[in-house]
Amino acid sequence: AQSVTQLGSHVSVSEGALVLLRCNYSSSVPPYLFWYVQYPNQGLQLLLKYTTGATLVKGINGFEAEFKKSETSFHLTKPSAHMSDAAEYFCAVSDEPNNAGNMLTFGGGTRLMVKP
Amino acid sequence: EAQVTQNPRYLITVTGKKLTVTCSQNMNHEYMSWYRQDPGLGLRQIYYSMNVEVTDKGDVPEGYKVSRKEKRNFPLILESPSPNQTSLYFCASSLSRGYGLNYGYTFGSGTRLTVV
Repeated sequence: AQSVTQLGSHVSVSEGALVLLRCNYSSSVPPYLFWYVQYPNQGLQLLLKYTTGATLVKGINGFEAEFKKSETSFHLTKPSAHMSDAAEYFCAVSDEPNNAGNMLTFGGGTRLMVKP
Repeated sequence: EAQVTQNPRYLITVTGKKLTVTCSQNMNHEYMSWYRQDPGLGLRQIYYSMNVEVTDKGDVPEGYKVSRKEKRNFPLILESPSPNQTSLYFCASSLSRGYGLNYGYTFGSGTRLTVV
């Protein structure tokens, strides 16, 4: 069974500071990894994903994440936080899309607060 | 506009009173799914549907029913709601399960249900 752990349910940074949201996963097969963002009173939006190929992936709004197989991690970063980045972020893992078993497993979420 | 529409956005009900949360998508997506979101637990899948008349249980199906009589609609039914079903519910859709795992799912804006 796969699982996702997001360290820190709440993260607070100052505007302009580095954003680092941590995600570790367990999976018995090569994983597909995702970060979703949820703005207040909205549904989830896909921020970025890793399926195969380059391990550093870039997403929308200046976010990026690096897949590190040896560390089973997929941490999300952004060099400079903006007030509009305040939201809840979810890391998710899945088996390969053709696998008929489990689909997307989400972490518990990390709420990012950005201070002026 | 391509979207997933859930209704109602907010609902307060009493224990045992049957209710239905509707979900409709206008993108001709085959795959639809229901999630519940609880603090610290992330999103957990309740039921999903690969296509019309094809539904299957997710991770937390107890106490819920679904139907998929037509492609665009995927209602979530609580026959006898209980307080432990108080949660934020999301409907999601994708062209197919595999497409969603590669390109992301489209989520509705959520339904906040309170059962007293």
